[in-house]
Amino acid sequence: ILNVEQSPQSLHVQEGDSTNFTCSFPSSNFYALHWYRWETAKSPEALFVMTLNGDEKKKGRISATLNTKEGYSYLYIKGSQPEDSATYLCAFFYNQGGKLIFGQGTELSVKP
Amino acid sequence: DVKVTQSSRYLVKRTGEKVFLECVQDMDHENMFWYRQDPGLGLRLIYFSYDVKMKEKGDIPEGYSVSREKKERFSLILESASTNQTSMYLCASTLVPGGAGGGYTFGSGTRLTVV
Repeated sequence: ILNVEQSPQSLHVQEGDSTNFTCSFPSSNFYALHWYRWETAKSPEALFVMTLNGDEKKKGRISATLNTKEGYSYLYIKGSQPEDSATYLCAFFYNQGGKLIFGQGTELSVKP
Repeated sequence: DVKVTQSSRYLVKRTGEKVFLECVQDMDHENMFWYRQDPGLGLRLIYFSYDVKMKEKGDIPEGYSVSREKKERFSLILESASTNQTSMYLCASTLVPGGAGGGYTFGSGTRLTVV
C-alpha cells in the first residue's frame, strides 16, 4: 500500500515566523510530487508540481524542495502572514497506477 | 482559467436515496477524478476517468458508481446513500494524468450529509 505522510499535522505560528513542513513518499516508481494549498471554503489550489530530483520551486514567500532518492519534499513559508492560514496538502503520483495519492495535510494557523 | 464546477455546495439526503453529484469542467481536460475528504484521512480517490465512457476504480469505490457520457461532465452516483457516505466530495480535472504543468484543478466541493 502506497502511503504519503505529512508532518506536522498542525502548526500554530505567529505572524512573521518562518515555517516548514515535510512530505514523505515512496522513493520507487516516482513520477511527480504536488503541493496544494486549501483555504477554508475554497478549492484546493496547486502550488507546485515537481518532477526532478533536486527540484526547487518558489512562489513569492513559499518554496519547495524535492528529494526523490530518499522520498521527501519540504515546503517552506518565509515570514508567515495570516492569509497563509490553510491546510497544505502534498500528493505523490507514481508511474504504475496513474493515481495521485494525497497525504493527510498540515493545517497551518498564523496569528496576527 | 480552468474552471471545475460542482452542482451543489451543500446537500442533505436520506438513507437509501440515490444521489447524483455532478461535475463539469470547461477546459477540454480528458482526465477527471472524484475524491472524498474526511477529517484525519486526507483526500481519498473514489473513481477516475481518462476518457469519455472510460472509468477506473480508485481506492474506495464501494457504494459508488460514475458516469462520463461527455468529456466535460463526470458524475458520481451513490446508488443507495448511507450515513457513512456523509463527507466532503471534491471533483478535479487535469490535462496530463500526472499533473505536470499545472497540477489538478479542483471544484469547490459538495458537503453531503446523509441522514
